[in-house]
Amino acid sequence: QVQLQESGPGLVKSSETLSLTCTVSGGSISSYYWSWVRQPPGKGLEWIGYIYYSGSTNYNPSLGSRVTISVDTSKNQFFLKLSSVTAADTAVYFCARGGWSKDLWGQGTLVTVS
Amino acid sequence: EIVLTQSPGTLSLSPGERATLSCRASQIISNNYLAWYQHKPGQAPRLLIYDASRRATGIPDRFSGSGSATDFTLTISRLEPEDFAVYYCQQYGNSAPETFGQGTKVEIK
Repeated sequence: QVQLQESGPGLVKSSETLSLTCTVSGGSISSYYWSWVRQPPGKGLEWIGYIYYSGSTNYNPSLGSRVTISVDTSKNQFFLKLSSVTAADTAVYFCARGGWSKDLWGQGTLVTVS
Repeated sequence: EIVLTQSPGTLSLSPGERATLSCRASQIISNNYLAWYQHKPGQAPRLLIYDASRRATGIPDRFSGSGSATDFTLTISRLEPEDFAVYYCQQYGNSAPETFGQGTKVEIK
């Protein structure tokens, strides 16, 4: 069955760029929307943005121009870049399938900003 | 941005009991585009309900969603041991951004 797996550094320095990869296995990345969602420690879920497999994107305005989501269909992967991070960006980052309701999620990866 | 308020914050119930979770929106959610998720620590969130009342693939029929406009409910008819978790509602019906509620924890009494 289709599975999603987040990967990337668990520790990022303040003011630097957080970069994560979501690898989709067991199915094609094509014909779907793909999302990033995060959960700061002890808090609820926050939508970051989504990308269609063709490359069109939609981002949470609260993150301004700091966020970029991209896709590589040849590798069945999509990516998150968040620039100028601060301690407030410390969170578990989830990738998910779907641009609205999200029917499949990764287990999440903790990223700490020091 | 639409604010979703979930209540109660914590629900203490015994297996076999009925759970009723509420999600109230600060403005009308167009097309009733509201979803419910189950989340257990260290696991991937699981989609239960989408479009307010449509059960996702593979979800047992003890889970049901109802409501419209600004008031939505997730009902678990008879709690099974595996149902104790945190539940989130999410709206995706209006122009960006999507938003989530703060969650309701269903714990064993």
